Amino acid sequence: QSVLTQPPSVSGAPGQRVTISCTGSSSNIGASYDVQWYQQLPGTAPKLLIYGDSNRPSGVPDRFSGSKSGTSASLAISGLQAEDEADYYCQSYDNSLSASVFGGGTKLTVL
Amino acid sequence: QVQLVESGGGLVKPGGSLRLSCVASGFTFSDYYMSWIRQAPGKGLEWLSYLSSSGNTIYYADSVKGRFTISRDNAKTSLYLQMDSLRAEDTAVYYCARATTRRGRYDYWGQGTLVTVSS
Repeated sequence: QSVLTQPPSVSGAPGQRVTISCTGSSSNIGASYDVQWYQQLPGTAPKLLIYGDSNRPSGVPDRFSGSKSGTSASLAISGLQAEDEADYYCQSYDNSLSASVFGGGTKLTVL
Repeated sequence: QVQLVESGGGLVKPGGSLRLSCVASGFTFSDYYMSWIRQAPGKGLEWLSYLSSSGNTIYYADSVKGRFTISRDNAKTSLYLQMDSLRAEDTAVYYCARATTRRGRYDYWGQGTLVTVSS
């Protein structure tokens, strides 16, 4: 059971927009700790996609965007492309555990 | 360019030990926090441990506290994870990751090394 809750899977057709939610609590996202998102393509290491709730590292397309409100965060992917098919993880910090925490991951399928 | 290369994984019996290494290059290793994160087969990511740039501050996940020890050698730009009293549930790919903040934000990851705990 992950501290941060994500839907196991989402799907969308090429060109569509999808969102992935990440729900936490008052000891992590709700405590205003930054939320990061990572993309893991099959057979590879995770890659930082969004940091500080809504910032993109250089090289990440602006089709990817992040937001946060209260105890939840969201990753939005617009203009879906086949190469976006991957697992996506949210991550934050939990002050009751004194630990980084990850969501369980969401598998994105591009139909 | 930033590179993190893990090594030391392999097959070990329950109760055994293993030491993982992660060699860093392409950045000033001694300026950064570092962490170990693992991923069991077909499962999600699990943070294990964090070590400050100086090595003075260390945190562990409850699942490995008392069994795993993180350390670093800034002169060798290397991060280590000593794993003792290994259990079947420790079977996973182990990643080292550079952290840009004390509370996460892992901007570079190694390729991972597989640890299999089985008799």
